[in-house]
Amino acid sequence: KAGVTQTPRYLIKTRGQQVTLSCSPISGHRSVSWYQQTPGQGLQFLFEYFSETQRNKGNFPGRFSGRQFSNSRSEMNVSTLELGDSALYLCASSLVVGGYEQYFGPGTRLTVT
Amino acid sequence: AQSVAQPEDQVNVAEGNPLTVKCTYSVSGNPYLFWYVQYPNRGLQFLLKYITGDNLVKGSYGFEAEFNKSQTSFHLKKPSALVSDSALYFCAVRDMSAGGTSYGKLTFGQGTILTVHP
Repeated sequence: KAGVTQTPRYLIKTRGQQVTLSCSPISGHRSVSWYQQTPGQGLQFLFEYFSETQRNKGNFPGRFSGRQFSNSRSEMNVSTLELGDSALYLCASSLVVGGYEQYFGPGTRLTVT
Repeated sequence: AQSVAQPEDQVNVAEGNPLTVKCTYSVSGNPYLFWYVQYPNRGLQFLLKYITGDNLVKGSYGFEAEFNKSQTSFHLKKPSALVSDSALYFCAVRDMSAGGTSYGKLTFGQGTILTVHP
C-alpha cells in the first residue's frame, strides 16, 4: 500500500498570505489528523477529521482550518500567515478514530518570510 | 487534560548496550500509549502501542515498552542498541475515556534524542 502523501513538500510564503496544504491518507484509512512541529513547541495537535467531520481540535487560532473530502483526502488552510507559522506540518492517517496507530506522511515544510 | 513527559532531552548509549527512553503520562481515564521514531527530515514512524493486555509490548526493530499503571509510565527499551537507532523518539497518549474533553486526542511528549555511539 502507498503511504501517506503530502503536497507540497516545501513552501515559502510571505506574511499575510494564505496557504493550503494537502494530505492523501493510506487507502482505506478514514481518519486524518494534522500536527504542527516546531523546535520550540514540539508536536502540537491541530485537528482530526473522520468521515468529513472534524472530531477533535487543538488550541490553535481560527486562522488554521481544515476539511476532509468524501475520499478521505484532507486539506488544511492557514490564512494571514505569521512568521511563527513557519513549521513542519505533518499529516497522519488511521483506520478510524481511537486506539489504532497513526501513520504519518513526510510533512510539508512551510517557511514564512 | 492529558499530558506526556519525556524527562530526558537526550540519551546517549554505546552500541551493544541496552537502552531506555523514559515516558510518563497523565490522563483522566484509560490511556492508549504509543511510541514513534523520527529520522532527520522524515515523518514519524510507528514503533509500538499499548491498548490493553500484557504490560510488556513488543514492537518494530527490536524495541519493546513496559506499561506501568501505578507509576503511569511507558518506558521504551531495547536490549542491544544499534548506531542506526539514533533518532528522535516520541511518546504519545490518547485518552479514551468516553465523554472527556480530550477524548481521542493524541498528545505527544517533547521528544528524546537518542544517540548510539559506535
